[in-house]
Amino acid sequence: AQTVTQSQPEMSVQEAETVTLSCTYDTSENNYYLFWYKQPPSRQMILVIRQEAYKQQNATENRFSVNFQKAAKSFSLKISDSQLGDTAMYFCAFMKHAGGNNDMRFGAGTRLTVKP
Amino acid sequence: GAGVSQSPRYKVTKRGQDVALRCDPISGHVSLYWYRQALGQGPEFLTYFNYEAQQDKSGLPNDRFSAERPEGSISTLTIQRTEQRDSAMYRCASSISVMNTEAFFGQGTRLTVV
Repeated sequence: AQTVTQSQPEMSVQEAETVTLSCTYDTSENNYYLFWYKQPPSRQMILVIRQEAYKQQNATENRFSVNFQKAAKSFSLKISDSQLGDTAMYFCAFMKHAGGNNDMRFGAGTRLTVKP
Repeated sequence: GAGVSQSPRYKVTKRGQDVALRCDPISGHVSLYWYRQALGQGPEFLTYFNYEAQQDKSGLPNDRFSAERPEGSISTLTIQRTEQRDSAMYRCASSISVMNTEAFFGQGTRLTVV
């Protein structure tokens, strides 16, 4: 079974600064996807960014980027120019992708607080 | 529909009662997932479907939990003889196809067993 580990239960950052959230995972699969989801106080689940394991280039979405290290099984999220609206729980997720058997597993989350 | 819809949004039930939680995925979405999320924790995988076929139910905690999606659209998660430890947010998500990996989440059903 795949496991996803987020070793930082809580983090804080000053507004406009940069913060990196860490995520590691364990799998024997070669084809898979990795995600970061944001859960604000409203408790919605919002997809922030997605990375395909077969792509070497790190995914970026505006102020959000990832550092994907496949050999190390590491998938960190960098938030640049942090904004107050970035305050939320952030969940790292893994999805294997083999023959349509695509279940998704989540880490325990990191609570990020952006301070004014 | 415009998004994944779950009902009821809130459910309070007495210990020992059965509950049925409903998920109406985005129209045409093939894959449907059920998760359970305790406060302050990540979503815990329960089960998922492609069309009407249940692909993986390894996350269901015990045989009091079951799920179905008989026509490949709406799904129901049923918990029999509820216990206090079943109290959590139950989330449903759907994705457009087996090959498309973006999952859209519903607002969840908050279940409280008293």
